[in-house]
Amino acid sequence: GIQVEQSPPDLILQEGANSTLRCNFSDSVNNLQWFHQNPWGQLINLFYIPSGTKQNGRLSATTVATERYSLLYISSSQTTDSGVYFCAVPNRDDKIIFGKGTRLHILP
Amino acid sequence: DTEVTQTPKHLVMGMTNKKSLKCEQHMGHRAMYWYKQKAKKPPELMFVYSYEKLSINESVPSRFSPECPNSSLLNLHLHALQPEDSALYLCASSLEGWLNEKLFFGSGTQLSVL
Repeated sequence: GIQVEQSPPDLILQEGANSTLRCNFSDSVNNLQWFHQNPWGQLINLFYIPSGTKQNGRLSATTVATERYSLLYISSSQTTDSGVYFCAVPNRDDKIIFGKGTRLHILP
Repeated sequence: DTEVTQTPKHLVMGMTNKKSLKCEQHMGHRAMYWYKQKAKKPPELMFVYSYEKLSINESVPSRFSPECPNSSLLNLHLHALQPEDSALYLCASSLEGWLNEKLFFGSGTQLSVL
């Protein structure tokens, strides 16, 4: 099945810093989703981005499907950005597969 | 309304108890999902309902019994659980159940089995 790798696994930043999270996948996909799981467990869908670039406030995402990777950019980090960021892609078994996530901790 | 609502938020149960988790959405979605998430792990798919019919069962033990009374509601009935079943249980929904659809998650039920 498809393999999804996220990097870095952990990231600690000072408030106000910028960050780039990466998601690599081993097979071609027709969609990719980025999620943020806050410390209370809520999974928020940030982007549905099969290709190209999208922006939502301080967050933006770029997927280069031909090269099998996606990037999530967070600018001017805030403490509320802390949590785990997952990317998720569909596999050939009719399932959405999640990466292991990047754990982000923003220090005040 | 883009919310998926799950109740209860927390549940503690003994191994002989019977309990149910509930999930509701009013986005007109026809597909609903149960995921299980252990600490520091990604969510793992358990069940998928599409148009109120069970379409995917990821070989989940029978002590977990899903039910979809209508397209807005999804239940997970729990019976004779084991301590290793303690986890965060997440409900999600999407438009029709196709893989290229955006998933919307609820805030989860944190389950502890004693």
